[in-house]
Amino acid sequence: AQTVTQSQPEMSVQEAETVTLSCTYDTSENNYYLFWYKQPPSRQMILVIRQEAYKQQNATENRFSVNFQKAAKSFSLKISDSQLGDTAMYFCAFMKPLSTSGTYKYIFGTGTRLKVLA
Amino acid sequence: DAGITQSPRHKVTETGTPVTLRCHQTENHRYMYWYRQDPGHGLRLIHYSYGVKDTDKGEVSDGYSVSRSKTEDFLLTLESATSSQTSVYFCATGPKNQPQHFGDGTRLSIL
Repeated sequence: AQTVTQSQPEMSVQEAETVTLSCTYDTSENNYYLFWYKQPPSRQMILVIRQEAYKQQNATENRFSVNFQKAAKSFSLKISDSQLGDTAMYFCAFMKPLSTSGTYKYIFGTGTRLKVLA
Repeated sequence: DAGITQSPRHKVTETGTPVTLRCHQTENHRYMYWYRQDPGHGLRLIHYSYGVKDTDKGEVSDGYSVSRSKTEDFLLTLESATSSQTSVYFCATGPKNQPQHFGDGTRLSIL
C-alpha cells in the first residue's frame, strides 16, 4: 500500500528565514507525481508545487523549491524568505494512476502546521 | 478555484438524518472526487467519478454514496448520518494526470 509520511506535525520559522518541510512516501510504482498543497486558515487547498517522478530536476516555484530524492523516496519542501502569509498547514501528496478507470488517485500525508513568526 | 462550488458551506444535522452535499464545476472536467479531512488523517478519498454515471469507491467509502447524472454535478449522500461522519468535506476536479483543484469545503457537524 502506498503511504505518505510527514513526520513534523508542527514547525515554526522566523520571517525572512528558510524552512524545510519533510515528506517521505512508499510506493512500488515507477510513474507517479508528487505535490505540495498549502491550506491556510481559510481552509482552501492551494497547489504550491508539483514534481513528476520521471524528472530528475527539482521543481521550483518562486520562493518554493523541492528536494526530490527518488531512490530514497523523499520529497521535501523548502520555503525561502518566509513570509507571514506562508503560515498554513502544508500537505504532501502522492498521485498515481488507478488501473481500471483511467483516473488518478491522491494519497495525502497528515500535514505539517507551519507558523511564520514576525 | 477552477470553477468549483460546494454547497452548503456549513451544515449541522442530527444523527440518523440523510444529508446530501453538492459539488458543481464549470470546467467540464471528466474526473471528480470527494474527500474528507480529519485531524491526524489529512485528506482521504471517499468516492470518485470518471464520467457521467461512472463512479467508484475510495478508501473510506462506507456509509457514503455518490451520484453523477451530469458532467458538472457530483453529489455525496450520507443515507443515515452518524457522529463519525462529522468532518470537513472537499470536492476536487481536474484533468486526468494533472493537479486536482479543490472546492472551498463543507463543514458538516452531526450531533
